[in-house]
Amino acid sequence: GQQVMQIPQYQHVQEGEDFTTYCNSSTTLSNIQWYKQRPGGHPVFLIQLVKSGEVKKQKRLTFQFGEAKKNSSLHITATQTTDVGTYFCAGRGGSNYKLTFGKGTLLTVNP
Amino acid sequence: DSGVTQTPKHLITATGQRVTLRCSPRSGDLSVYWYQQSLDQGLQFLIQYYNGEERAKGNILERFSAQQFPDLHSELNLSSLELGDSALYFCASSPGTSGGATGELFFGEGSRLTVL
Repeated sequence: GQQVMQIPQYQHVQEGEDFTTYCNSSTTLSNIQWYKQRPGGHPVFLIQLVKSGEVKKQKRLTFQFGEAKKNSSLHITATQTTDVGTYFCAGRGGSNYKLTFGKGTLLTVNP
Repeated sequence: DSGVTQTPKHLITATGQRVTLRCSPRSGDLSVYWYQQSLDQGLQFLIQYYNGEERAKGNILERFSAQQFPDLHSELNLSSLELGDSALYFCASSPGTSGGATGELFFGEGSRLTVL
C-alpha cells in the first residue's frame, strides 16, 4: 500500500536558523498536504499542493511539490520559538480516498 | 476551535473492555476520518466515511469498528481492549465530494485512551 516517509524524525535548531523537513511517497500522489501539531494539540492544516513542481510560500514557510509528485519539502527560514511542533506531510494518491500521513518531524527551537 | 467535537477527551479503562468514541464533524462536512496517534507510529489512518458510507479503510483492527450516522456524527468502537490500544484517537472532517474527499482536514482535539 501507499507509504509516506518523512525525515528527519527530530530536528533541534537555534532560533534564527533554518529548518527543512522532507517527505517521500512510495507512489505518485494526486496532492500533498502539510499539517502542524503543537505539543499537546491537534494537527492543523497548513497548505495543500496539487501541481507538479508547485512552490507555495506562507511568510517564512516555503512548500515544494516534486516534479514527479512523489516528494515534497517544507522549509522554514529563520525559525522562531513559535515554530515549535511536529510537522506532518500527508499524501493522497490517485483515486485513493485515504490521506496517508508521514510520521512527522518534531522541531524544537532553542531561544 | 476547528468545529469538530470529540468526546470523551480522556478515557481510562481496563484490558478486555469496550469503549465508544464519538465525533461530531463541522457543520456541513460530509466526510469523517478516524486516526490513531501513538508515540512511535505517528498518525495512523483507520477509516473514512462519506455521508454515511464507508469510503476507505486503513489498518483498522477487526476489534475496532466505526459508523457514521444519518446526522453525520460518527462513532468508533474499540473492543477487547489491549494495552497497545492506548493512544490518542483523532477524528477529522472535511467537506468531501461524492468522488472523494479533497481539501483540508479539520481535526478535533482527540480522545486520549489509556488501557490499564
